[in-house]
Amino acid sequence: KNEVEQSPQNLTAQEGEFITINCSYSVGISALHWLQQHPGGGIVSLFMLSSGKKKHGRLIATINIQEKHSSLHITASHPRDSAVYICAVSSTGNQFYFGTGTSLTVIP
Amino acid sequence: EAGVAQSPRYKIIEKRQSVAFWCNPISGHATLYWYQQILGQGPKLLIQFQNNGVVDDSQLPKDRFSAERLKGVDSTLKIQPAKLEDSAVYLCASSSTRQGAGEQYFGPGTRLTVT
Repeated sequence: KNEVEQSPQNLTAQEGEFITINCSYSVGISALHWLQQHPGGGIVSLFMLSSGKKKHGRLIATINIQEKHSSLHITASHPRDSAVYICAVSSTGNQFYFGTGTSLTVIP
Repeated sequence: EAGVAQSPRYKIIEKRQSVAFWCNPISGHATLYWYQQILGQGPKLLIQFQNNGVVDDSQLPKDRFSAERLKGVDSTLKIQPAKLEDSAVYLCASSSTRQGAGEQYFGPGTRLTVT
């Protein structure tokens, strides 16, 4: 069983739709990270959070420590949001675990 | 602030050949990571350095992979000899905090194809 599970694996949306990507983890964590990876590109860190909610532009990340669950929301989605979104956690045992990613395609 | 630099960006080799990748982390970042990302999967940690010491290399296939960070700054990852299943993107990341608790900054990756 993976320490970090993401859903859905693949997601196709129409431009303008509200998008949610979910992440569940099974280890104790010091922080949870949401990362973005464009095709052929490197990885960019979107958020690092350990509680509550963070917002950056059209992106919102939330975390529920008790339920060991986080969500990444994209409001008013745009084709340039098309990428793989990866959830990762820094565990309290100083390990770093990655989810397998959610491939998002936003159609104009 | 310059980001994490990696070279080469792409490499194609035949199986049983050797290959080396280079990474220069963000200046002042003590922690450096090498990841392997096979197509369709999330990154897998190969090795983690804290300055020039190894913190975690439990998933590094030591019979063919080696890595060093001699002066605690840039790092090289070597594969010798390469196998077909080594085809992947090799990502380098760095962090200013100790042992994975902080934000990691990723390089552009090296895409390796083994034929």
